[in-house]
Amino acid sequence: SQQGEEDPQALSIQEGENATMNCSYKTSINNLQWYRQNSGRGLVHLILIRSNEREKHSGRLRVTLDTSKKSSSLLITASRAADTASYFCATVVNDYKLSFGAGTTVTVRA
Amino acid sequence: NAGVMQNPRHLVRRRGQEARLRCSPMKGHSHVYWYRQLPEEGLKFMVYLQKENIIDESGMPKERFSAEFPKEGPSILRIQQVVRGDSAAYFCASSPGAGGGYEQYFGPGTRLTVT
Repeated sequence: SQQGEEDPQALSIQEGENATMNCSYKTSINNLQWYRQNSGRGLVHLILIRSNEREKHSGRLRVTLDTSKKSSSLLITASRAADTASYFCATVVNDYKLSFGAGTTVTVRA
Repeated sequence: NAGVMQNPRHLVRRRGQEARLRCSPMKGHSHVYWYRQLPEEGLKFMVYLQKENIIDESGMPKERFSAEFPKEGPSILRIQQVVRGDSAAYFCASSPGAGGGYEQYFGPGTRLTVT
């Protein structure tokens, strides 16, 4: 079964707005990772947050992790058309196996 | 430094044929993972290999699917007697070491279509 579940399934925003998506997971984790996938392409690693971290930033990305609620969020600030993609959270199972959710599809309108 | 390479990028096979998907990991990476992505879904783990060893194949169907990572050459995912349900995108990832602290770098994927 899938470990991570993203919410919402789809998100449409205007360029310049912020986009927030959430991920919930079931079991204890060592870290949680976020990936981006452009249509028809492979996955690009965005950010890894460890279980002892609460927040992490990378450029316009901000990730939070709440292990008590088993949830994480990804915030993209000042969105651009190039941010149009699907975003996946993944947890690590058995120390190496990435377990992905179904993803959030983000569309940034110009 | 080339990334993870996969070929072919697109593969069309008729039902009953064999499909061979190749993955060359990043230079210096000896850990390879295969994932499958069905339409509108996330990636599902299939198999984890190190050079000449299958470490975990728990996500791979027991029949018709096999994987190898020989001492020399790319990792191969082989699907025998393909069926329409095998149509999916197959992604390979590699990492320099084992453990969740290592990032897995993904290739562009092979899109298999079974007609």
